[in-house]
Amino acid sequence: GQQVMQIPQYQHVQEGEDFTTYCNSSTTLSNIQWYKQRPGGHPVFLIQLVKSGEVKKQKRLTFQFGEAKKNSSLHITATQTTDVGTYFCAGPNEKLTFGTGTRLTIIP
Amino acid sequence: NAGVTQTPKFQVLKTGQSMTLQCAQDMNHEYMSWYRQDPGMGLRLIHYSVGAGITDQGEVPNGYNVSRSTTEDFPLRLLSAAPSQTSVYFCASSYFGLTYEQYFGPGTRLTVT
Repeated sequence: GQQVMQIPQYQHVQEGEDFTTYCNSSTTLSNIQWYKQRPGGHPVFLIQLVKSGEVKKQKRLTFQFGEAKKNSSLHITATQTTDVGTYFCAGPNEKLTFGTGTRLTIIP
Repeated sequence: NAGVTQTPKFQVLKTGQSMTLQCAQDMNHEYMSWYRQDPGMGLRLIHYSVGAGITDQGEVPNGYNVSRSTTEDFPLRLLSAAPSQTSVYFCASSYFGLTYEQYFGPGTRLTVT
């Protein structure tokens, strides 16, 4: 079956440093979504990418979808304490296969 | 709108007991699903439904039953609880549109002893 891996599994950064998580699928995805889960909370939708090579930005967050539509990345510029949580990629469509997640912790 | 609600928030069961996790949404979403989340792992799909009266299996359906008699409700039944079913369970819903954004409930933390 489809597998979605994310690296790194954990990332500890100083506040103000950048952060990147990478997502790789074993199969081509028609679209990919990103979710954020705060500690003790539930996943919250961030964005959906559909087109090959697509880049979308949300304030300090930059999302990319690979040319082959098998990989994606999320980059956060100048992390803040509010960015703490686990970031998941997932896809495709509504019957989601979730990645393993990257847990981000911030050192103030 | 309350969004997606789940009850109970916490539950402890003994091995062999049965119970039903409740999920309801007030957004008139056609699609609903159940996921389980285990430590250090992503969410895994248990069952899903594309509309009232229609359900199907996800990645890890064994030991769970679902039904969808109304658009709003999608309960998950554990038939005979096992320690391997200790997990956090999330219900999610979405409408069929341009995006596949899933709206998640707050989760039920289940412990089976």
